[in-house]
Amino acid sequence: GAVVSQHPSWVICKSGTSVKIECRSLDFQATTMFWYRQFPKQSLMLMATSNEGSKATYEQGVEKDKFLINHASLTLSTLTVTSAHPEDSSFYICSVERVGAEQFFGPGTRLTVL
Amino acid sequence: DQQVKQNSPSLSVQEGRISILNCDYTNSMFDYFLWYKKYPAEGPTFLISISSIKDKNEDGRFTVFLNKSAKHLSLHIVPSQPGDSAVYFCAARKTSGSRLTFGEGTQLTVNP
Repeated sequence: GAVVSQHPSWVICKSGTSVKIECRSLDFQATTMFWYRQFPKQSLMLMATSNEGSKATYEQGVEKDKFLINHASLTLSTLTVTSAHPEDSSFYICSVERVGAEQFFGPGTRLTVL
Repeated sequence: DQQVKQNSPSLSVQEGRISILNCDYTNSMFDYFLWYKKYPAEGPTFLISISSIKDKNEDGRFTVFLNKSAKHLSLHIVPSQPGDSAVYFCAARKTSGSRLTFGEGTQLTVNP
């Protein structure tokens, strides 16, 4: 069964609006979750590491004020794309890490900004 | 700086034959390597991994080979099946962290 879920699976929004994407760990408590972005025919690029109860760690070049991450519980992390623009259109994927095991990825969220 | 590279964007093989997907890395600090399979509009699923202390790891039809001196790894799938058609990503990480660095992916097509 699925280990990680994401909601919504796809979203279309107008430019300037904010979009929230949820990532849930279904089978275990995750102190660390990761957010990736994938553009068409490109690699998965790590955006940030989400840490439960503390601030997220952002990769170089990722605007923390634009991509707000909240890891409020051991099973839920949210990514909010604020004031979205067409160039933010992408496939956003989260993953969770279980100690001693590989990262499990969510099904992804397709964001289209008009 | 692309630290993990998959130079072949696509590969096409006949059903029943061997598929060989290649991956090169530049960061000598990487010591754990993974292969993920991804279908369109889905998240990657873990296939197989290998630690730098080994040069081969096998799981059913999937075998990963690691050549540390050449900073090269490969994934062999034999026999290939049409259901194996997907994008395959190579990823690497350091023991000291969880951060995965992915290659660009290779689209494998297995023809019936």
